[in-house]
Parts: sequence; structure tokens; C-alpha cells
Amino acid sequence: AQSVTQLDSQVPVFEEAPVELRCNYSSSVSVYLFWYVQYPNQGLQLLLKYLSGSTLVKGINGFEAEFNKSQTSFHLRKPSVHISDTAEYFCAVSEGGTNKLIFGTGTLLAVQP
Amino acid sequence: SAVISQKPSRDICQRGTSLTIQCQVDSQVTMMFWYRQQPGQSLTLIATANQGSEATYESGFVIDKFPISRPNLTFSTLTVSNMSPEDSSIYLCSATTGVGGGELFFGEGSRLTVL
Repeated sequence: AQSVTQLDSQVPVFEEAPVELRCNYSSSVSVYLFWYVQYPNQGLQLLLKYLSGSTLVKGINGFEAEFNKSQTSFHLRKPSVHISDTAEYFCAVSEGGTNKLIFGTGTLLAVQP
Repeated sequence: SAVISQKPSRDICQRGTSLTIQCQVDSQVTMMFWYRQQPGQSLTLIATANQGSEATYESGFVIDKFPISRPNLTFSTLTVSNMSPEDSSIYLCSATTGVGGGELFFGEGSRLTVL
């Protein structure tokens, strides 16, 4: 069975600092990987996804993530965060060929001035 | 892309009652799903809403408690039956227009509080 682990429930960071949100997954088959963002009182929005090909994936709002098969990780990074990046970030996995997503527990990115 | 509208956006319900949540997509989609997000927790998949047939439920969820309909390609309903305070959650409708690996679009959710 698939599972997703987000090790950090909350990540405080100062504005313009870099940030990395960690995500590890487990699966016995090939997977697709996703990062979603949920702003306060809003629905989820796709940041980026990895299906195949280049392991470095660029998304919206300056975020990027790197797929590491040997470490079963898909960490999300941004070189310089803004106050507006404050939100809950969810990592998700689906087994190749399906659309069912299994979500991690989420990481609250709290950007401070 | 797909824009998903859910009604109601929030409601306060009494224990023992049932509530139906509606989900409307602005374009035809291949698959629709219902998720639950309990306070302070992540999203848990309840079921896949299948057009014209019974929904496919995940472990821990049953049709008697969460009956789901999907009469066409753009509309689905989720009923939360015989509610208890433990059912207080945000219920999210999602849909995709693609095959495996396609983006999953989400509604803004229906926040239910059961007293």
C-alpha cells in the first residue's frame, strides 16, 4: 500500500529566506507525485507534479521539487519565500495509471516578516 | 482545467440528521472523488463517484453512511447520514479531466459542524 510522510508539521521561516518542505513516500510500484497548496479558507491548488522524465520539476509561484527514487523522496523547495506563501502544503502520491491520490499530513509554511 | 462548485459551503447540523452536499463541475470530467479533511488533519479519500453506478468506497467508509450519486459527467452528491459530532469535517469534491497522472481539481469544500 502507498503512504506519504511529511516529516514537518510546521515550518517557520523568515521572508526572503529559502525553504525546503520534506516528503517521503512508500510504494511497491511506480508512482506519480504531486504537491498541492491550500491557502486559508480555500480549496487545494496544484503546485507541481512529477510523472516521468526529468527529476527536477518546476511549478507555479517559483516552487520546484526533485524526485529522488533511491531515497523515495519528493522535497519541495523555494529559494526565496514571500509572506503570501504562507499556507498548508500537501504532498500526494498516486500509483502509476490511476487518479486516486493519497495525501500526506501536510506542512504549514509560516512566513514571518 | 475544471472549476468545481460545492453547496453548501458550510452548515451546522444536529446529531442524527443527514445532509447532502452537491458538487457541480463546469466541464465534463473523467473521474470524480470525495475526500474528507478532519480538523487539523490531511485529506482522506472517501470514495470514487462512478457515473451511473455505485461508488467505489475506500476502507473504513460504507455506502449506508456516505451514499454517493453521480448521474452524469459533471454532477455528484455526497450524503452524510445519521450524523454525529465525529462527522464534523470539511468534505471536498475533486475531479480530473485526464487519465492517470492528470491534475486533480478541488472544490473549496463544505464545512460541516455537527452538534
